[in-house]
Amino acid sequence: EPEVTQTPSHQVTQMGQEVILRCVPISNHLYFYWYRQILGQKVEFLVSFYNNEISEKSEIFDDQFSVERPDGSNFTLKIRSTKLEDSAMYFCASRSRDRAIGYTFGSGTRLTVV
Amino acid sequence: AQTVTQSQPEMSVQEAETVTLSCTYDTSENNYYLFWYKQPPSRQMILVIRQEAYKQQNATENRFSVNFQKAAKSFSLKISDSQLGDTAMYFCAFVKTDSWGKLQFGAGTQVVVTP
Repeated sequence: EPEVTQTPSHQVTQMGQEVILRCVPISNHLYFYWYRQILGQKVEFLVSFYNNEISEKSEIFDDQFSVERPDGSNFTLKIRSTKLEDSAMYFCASRSRDRAIGYTFGSGTRLTVV
Repeated sequence: AQTVTQSQPEMSVQEAETVTLSCTYDTSENNYYLFWYKQPPSRQMILVIRQEAYKQQNATENRFSVNFQKAAKSFSLKISDSQLGDTAMYFCAFVKTDSWGKLQFGAGTQVVVTP
């Protein structure tokens, strides 16, 4: 079964450093997402991406965050200057045009900011 | 704005027994989709079951079934013949049909299956 692949699985970074989280969505999917889950809390939407541009973003997704799909396969989330409160599990998800089929999530990247 | 509420933080069930997880949501939309996702200790998000709001028939996937009550805005998940591998956090999620597909999640219910 097709998978969404995320790397790395765990990243530790110092406060103020830039991090890039990487995702390879399912190849024929058209819509891409990043979600965040702070430990013990609910899963929160960050951003959706379609046709090479952001289609929707949440209040969490401020100027410190950016996304891009540089080569038609990878989908990246960049945090420019990490804060302690950015420590969380970050999930990439993708879906096809048919929303009813559901979303496929990657296994997540655990980001720890120290 | 839509909200998804899961009122049970934790449920415990014995192997082979049945457990029902509740989920309610608040929306003014008529067309939408609902999902249950499972998050085991590995923290991966795994789709368990989906329901389309315009379908009255309740979805079923093997031991997992839902009770979808559109008027009551309720979407409960029943796990039958519980297995140890069902131990996980379960999230209810909602998405409008006319949006870019932002999933909104409930707070989750931790299910613990005991031998």
